[in-house]
Order: sequence, then C-alpha cells, then structure tokens
Amino acid sequence: GESVGLHLPTLSVQEGDNSIINCAYSNSASDYFIWYKQESGKGPQFIIDIRSNMDKRQGQRVTVLLNKTVKHLSLQIAATQPGDSAVYFCAENGGTSYGKLTFGQGTILTVHP
Amino acid sequence: GAVVSQHPSWVICKSGTSVKIECRSLDFQATTMFWYRQFPKQSLMLMATSNEGSKATYEQGVEKDKFLINHASLTLSTLTVTSAHPEDSSFYICSAPGRSTDTQYFGPGTRLTVL
Repeated sequence: GESVGLHLPTLSVQEGDNSIINCAYSNSASDYFIWYKQESGKGPQFIIDIRSNMDKRQGQRVTVLLNKTVKHLSLQIAATQPGDSAVYFCAENGGTSYGKLTFGQGTILTVHP
Repeated sequence: GAVVSQHPSWVICKSGTSVKIECRSLDFQATTMFWYRQFPKQSLMLMATSNEGSKATYEQGVEKDKFLINHASLTLSTLTVTSAHPEDSSFYICSAPGRSTDTQYFGPGTRLTVL
C-alpha cells in the first residue's frame, strides 16, 4: 500500500557527521528500490538505487542498505554537507516493471554548519 | 541526460476554473508518464498513469472526471484539473521512464494554488 506522512520525520546533524535515514516498505513484491532527494519547490532527484538481489550498494558518498527480511531500507550519507539538506524519500516499484513507484514517508534532513 | 519539463511552474487560479499542466519529455520518447500530487510536508502520491494512445489508469480514490489526462504524443502528457477548488492546491509532479523503465526522470513540478 501507499504510505503518507502527515508530519515528516526530521533528522538534524552537524556538517561532517554521517547521516542515516531509514525507510520501511510494505510491499514484499517490490524488487527495486530508489532513494530520492527533494529540495524545496523542486522535483525528486535520483540519488541511488538497489535491486532486491543485493543488500548493499555504494555511491560516491552514499550507501544504501536493504533488509528484505524486515522490509527495511536505509540511506547513509557520509560527511554530510549543508547542501545535503533536503527531504529524502525512498520509493519501491511494487514488483512492477513499467516504472510505477510508491513513495515512502520522507525524512527532512537538516545539516548545520 | 534525459530531461522532463513541466509548464507552468506555478499557477494561481480562481475556484471553479480549470487548469492545464503540461509534462514533456525533452529528448526522449515516453509512451508512459506518471502524475503525482504532493501536499505540503507530505510524500508524493501517485495519481495516475498516462498512456500514449489509450486511456489513463487512475489510482484508487482519484477522480478521473476531475483530473483529466491526455497523452497527446510520445513526448507530451497533460493533466487538467477541472473545476478546481482550494483543496486541489498542491504540487503536481510528472515523471517519465527512460530506456530502462527502472529509471524515472521527474519534472520540476507545478505549484497550483486555487483561491
């Protein structure tokens, strides 16, 4: 099903710290997961993705971890910078192959200089 | 890289009027596009799947007669909010899959404010 948050969770960190953003998904049929960053007034921006046959994938400063057993996804951002301040959403494909996505609740990340 | 544009980026209208929002894939063709709605401090909610050459598929709870979708060509989908009311005020975002349907390209969004 779809998850909608009336009040997004928030995470505040200091510049240089590592950030961990969590996401729980509900559809066990999902086999593809994506993390998006959304800045105020803009559309979502792709960060990193992972398929269900993997449990970890690394990018430049980001790492995504997938735990299918408990339907949990996390995004780790290393050496967080003020420019990383945004809302972060996870999304799942529900097992479909034509691009339909269900978005998670979202987390507001604030990075203090 | 692939780019999706939306027009207008923001619109203010009076209650009862209709508003059309365009979503274009600029350098690739998209037989399918997706329309999302996002209320302040909330997540993106899928409204409908726009299909080129056929009727749109609406998500449960989305009124198809209120949110008219037309996929006029392989690069253009339009969403018309008919008889808009203040509760329709929201951020409307479209997306289109790339060559790999796993890759979604999102538009910049359209902010609709209904007075």
